[in-house]
Amino acid sequence: GEDVEQSLFLSVREGDSSVINCTYTDSSSTYLYWYKQEPGAGLQLLTYIFSNMDMKQDQRLTVLLNKKDKHLSLRIADTQTGDSAIYFCAERNTGFQKLVFGTGTRLLVSP
Amino acid sequence: ETGVTQSPTHLIKTRGQQVTLRCSSQSGHNTVSWYQQALGQGPQFIFQYYREEENGRGNFPPRFSGLQFPNYSSELNVNALELDDSALYLCASSLEGGPNTEAFFGQGTRLTVV
Repeated sequence: GEDVEQSLFLSVREGDSSVINCTYTDSSSTYLYWYKQEPGAGLQLLTYIFSNMDMKQDQRLTVLLNKKDKHLSLRIADTQTGDSAIYFCAERNTGFQKLVFGTGTRLLVSP
Repeated sequence: ETGVTQSPTHLIKTRGQQVTLRCSSQSGHNTVSWYQQALGQGPQFIFQYYREEENGRGNFPPRFSGLQFPNYSSELNVNALELDDSALYLCASSLEGGPNTEAFFGQGTRLTVV
């Protein structure tokens, strides 16, 4: 079956790095995504990684994928107060665009 | 700005009523998916429309139905509303069969059932 799990809460200080973790169960997942949701808003796509990759870097964001352990992480370098939001990881299979989301990690960045 | 627009932004309905939510997809996208996000939860897949046909459905009852139009915009209809239908409804636009795997979300419609 499909299941995506995330820790519920992370608190960091401004300027520190944040690491948000996610585990998934579907071994046939092809793409894994990170979305950001600010209060009262929709989902903003941050980045995604294809399952044959181990790492993807995009400016302050680094995604690491351990396919053997079905573990995905998002590292945000130099975290800013504007990064405070809920972060969702999601998985999908090739050929079908259904996304399976985790419950989200609330990131709180304090000055 | 994703180019995906949803209307209305907020809606209050009474239990037992029917509601229609609308979504305009991003230019060039042929697929629309609908998600329900209850408070404090991640989005749950309702169904997807591709070229005006339902192309997959999540664990939602038949009173959740949809349409996709020739211009790829879409509607979500919910009949016989229940209190538990109160949620943020999100639509996502994507290009099925294209090289880009990204799904872009609208800002959502907040539905409150009283």
